[in-house]
Amino acid sequence: AAGVIQSPRHLIKEKRETATLKCYPIPRHDTVYWYQQGPGQDPQFLISFYEKMQSDKGSIPDRFSAQQFSDYHSELNMSSLELGDSALYFCASSLVLAGVGGSGNEQFFGPGTRLTVL
Amino acid sequence: AQTVTQSQPEMSVQEAETVTLSCTYDTSESNYYLFWYKQPPSRQMILVIRQEAYKQQNATENRFSVNFQKAAKSFSLKISDSQLGDTAMYFCAFMIAGSARQLTFGSGTQLTVLP
Repeated sequence: AAGVIQSPRHLIKEKRETATLKCYPIPRHDTVYWYQQGPGQDPQFLISFYEKMQSDKGSIPDRFSAQQFSDYHSELNMSSLELGDSALYFCASSLVLAGVGGSGNEQFFGPGTRLTVL
Repeated sequence: AQTVTQSQPEMSVQEAETVTLSCTYDTSESNYYLFWYKQPPSRQMILVIRQEAYKQQNATENRFSVNFQKAAKSFSLKISDSQLGDTAMYFCAFMIAGSARQLTFGSGTQLTVLP
């Protein structure tokens, strides 16, 4: 079965540079989520998109922006990178179902992009 | 705001034995979902099991089962017949029911299965 695809898998940047992370959701999934997992930390929610509209927003820095495109893929743009941005960035996708009886909006995670800022 | 607490940073279990990982949460919501995710050394996040808060019956998936105590806001994971491949970080997670809602994770429990 097709899974969530993230690219690149590894990225090394210098401080103050910019980075773009890409996410391709599972086919027919309409919702994308971004999470950041620092070393030894649990994943922290950044932002989500449903049907190309921002849906929920977490602890995403103002230096970061994201969008979901017409083909449902999403990009996370990170500017003025700081050392503290070094982390594993996960994208997840789901198919939103209305009502309590749905699948629980189960989120399927991609393999992550490991960003290292030097 | 929702919080998820995992009070066991590390646990170990002998192969073929049973182990229980604890999780408590705090919320004022009535409709929500609870999950256990597994993160092996590859760092991939893998869904292990899901529980809908409105269901009284505890979820089971093969060797994995949960003990969901809604009044106590407790959601423990039991792994039976532990296998070496179960060695991983296990995260308990909470999500309010609704469209495109975020997951809130606990701090994780590192489980090591010993041969």
